[in-house]
Amino acid sequence: NAGVTQTPKFQVLKTGQSMTLQCAQDMNHEYMSWYRQDPGMGLRLIHYSVGAGITDQGEVPNGYNVSRSTTEDFPLRLLSAAPSQTSVYFCASSRAGAEQFFGPGTRLTVL
Amino acid sequence: GQQLNQSPQSMFIQEGEDVSMNCTSSSIFNTWLWYKQDPGEGPVLLIALYKAGELTSNGRLTAQFGITRKDSFLNISASIPSDVGIYFCAGQLVSGGSNYKLTFGKGTLLTVNP
Repeated sequence: NAGVTQTPKFQVLKTGQSMTLQCAQDMNHEYMSWYRQDPGMGLRLIHYSVGAGITDQGEVPNGYNVSRSTTEDFPLRLLSAAPSQTSVYFCASSRAGAEQFFGPGTRLTVL
Repeated sequence: GQQLNQSPQSMFIQEGEDVSMNCTSSSIFNTWLWYKQDPGEGPVLLIALYKAGELTSNGRLTAQFGITRKDSFLNISASIPSDVGIYFCAGQLVSGGSNYKLTFGKGTLLTVNP
């Protein structure tokens, strides 16, 4: 199993550009989530999904969209990037309950 | 929303020393977890705790789920250089449709001097 994979690993955007961060898992986990990590702030939940076709907002959802068309994939879309979205983004998945497995992260810089 | 207070924010220790860190919450949790994050990597689960009062070990790591369900502790014995990293606590409160959401502490940065 590859576990949780994320692409790209690094990305630089200009303000106003859009892009999609990809996340995939091959463990048949129902639950998937996106976090952002900023210095001194820990991990903050952006959006999550409890199954295909079901998504919900987390703590910091503004400026981000998600969809869950399959169990395996959970992409995160930035519609119009802003410098405040410069961060490290982590995707995570779990079968049920709390033991979430994290991907390696995407480091995003918005100029 | 739920808040987790994790302390200390950072620790500088000598190899061989024991380490203690803790998390406290204003709310009760049903589950406590401890993760470690190496530089440039995603967090990796170290220990999961599911019952109030539970004490669980994973090698040199020991964690406890507080009796009040509002706190948890992580101890590392006989630290080694590869223990360097950021340690996060996380709590989960089972609550209807959002029962998978975790709340994370801000992390403890551990530095081990050889």
